[in-house]
Amino acid sequence: SQKIEQNSEALNIQEGKTATLTCNYTNYSPAYLQWYRQDPGRGPVFLLLIRENEKEKRKERLKVTFDTTLKQSLFHITASQPADSATYLCALEEWAVFGKGTKLTVNP
Amino acid sequence: EAGVAQSPRYKIIEKRQSVAFWCNPISGHATLYWYQQILGQGPKLLIQFQNNGVVDDSQLPKDRFSAERLKGVDSTLKIQPAKLEDSAVYLCASNGGGYEQYFGPGTRLTVT
Repeated sequence: SQKIEQNSEALNIQEGKTATLTCNYTNYSPAYLQWYRQDPGRGPVFLLLIRENEKEKRKERLKVTFDTTLKQSLFHITASQPADSATYLCALEEWAVFGKGTKLTVNP
Repeated sequence: EAGVAQSPRYKIIEKRQSVAFWCNPISGHATLYWYQQILGQGPKLLIQFQNNGVVDDSQLPKDRFSAERLKGVDSTLKIQPAKLEDSAVYLCASNGGGYEQYFGPGTRLTVT
């Protein structure tokens, strides 16, 4: 069955630095991969989608890469702010096999 | 545009009791999903509806869980009887044909 792993359960960084989150998957070749943000007590919110033929996708301070050879996606937040503190989830395609998430804390 | 609505937001029940959750998706969204999210885990898909038909319920524990979407709009998820391990947040999401899923705020269930 498809398996998706987010290597870090938690990541703490200083404000202004770039946060890099990792998502690895096995037993599957997804046509696309999604990233979501989840705040405590709320449902996930869609951030970005990247297709298998796209190397990189950007949205404001967010950047996602997709390496189908490594079976890995990286999610970057540049110039991080305390308001970026949340749990970030990656998901395989539409039926959404979700990773456990990485809790990002940006310290002022 | 109103988002996905869920009720109740919180529910505490004893084991072996029954409970039902309600979801109203975004207007016009044909696809509706129910997820279970245990603390510290990612959401796990329980069931997916396309209009009022079931697309995928392979991970739904059918001996105790049931779901329906009779008129292809709102949906109900029921647990009967509940077990301690059912304590989780139950998320409803809808999709209007694109790639993005829109999630509701979830119902936090505690089984004691």
